[in-house]
Amino acid sequence: SQTIHQWPATLVQPVGSPLSLECTVEGTSNPNLYWYRQAAGRGLQLLFYSVGIGQISSEVPQNLSASRPQDRQFILSSKKLLLSDSGFYLCAWRATPALGYTFGSGTRLTVV
Amino acid sequence: TQLLEQSPQFLSIQEGENLTVYCNSSSVFSSLQWYRQEPGEGPVLLVTVVTGGEVKKLKRLTFQFGDARKDSSLHITAAQTGDTGLYLCAGTSPETNAGKSTFGDGTTLTVKP
Repeated sequence: SQTIHQWPATLVQPVGSPLSLECTVEGTSNPNLYWYRQAAGRGLQLLFYSVGIGQISSEVPQNLSASRPQDRQFILSSKKLLLSDSGFYLCAWRATPALGYTFGSGTRLTVV
Repeated sequence: TQLLEQSPQFLSIQEGENLTVYCNSSSVFSSLQWYRQEPGEGPVLLVTVVTGGEVKKLKRLTFQFGDARKDSSLHITAAQTGDTGLYLCAGTSPETNAGKSTFGDGTTLTVKP
């Protein structure tokens, strides 16, 4: 069966520090991968998605970047965090657009 | 940009009551999903509907996709405290690359014992 792993679960970082969140998927190949951000228990905002290795699409201009160095690995990064980057970050995958997402357990990022 | 409006935003009921939450849009979706999310966790997929007028049942939960595929509803019968959570709907547009979905802002349901 397919599983998705996301870490760390919580992170407190100072303003101006770098960020790296990692997400890996097991049990499937060539998944569509997504990074979402959720504010205060509300709806999800799509940040990046990837349909293959090295293929990254950005949805909103921001202080973040994403990379997909391997088929089942998706990384969210920042060189210098801002206070506004605080939030709940979710990684997700799905095999085809017709199917729903499988989400990771999320990372709570607090920038101080 | 497709928008999904969910209503009500907050709902607090007693255990045993019935409830319906709604997900509405002016856009047509090729598929629509419902998720439930608990605090500090990722959303969990409940159902996917793809056909206009489709009705799906999952135990006490009944999901309906509108005939025009622009709206959906979730009905819970005899709510239990374990139904408490944030309910999110998400629609996938036929034209969207990579099947990106648009999420509503959710309905926060609290079921009191």
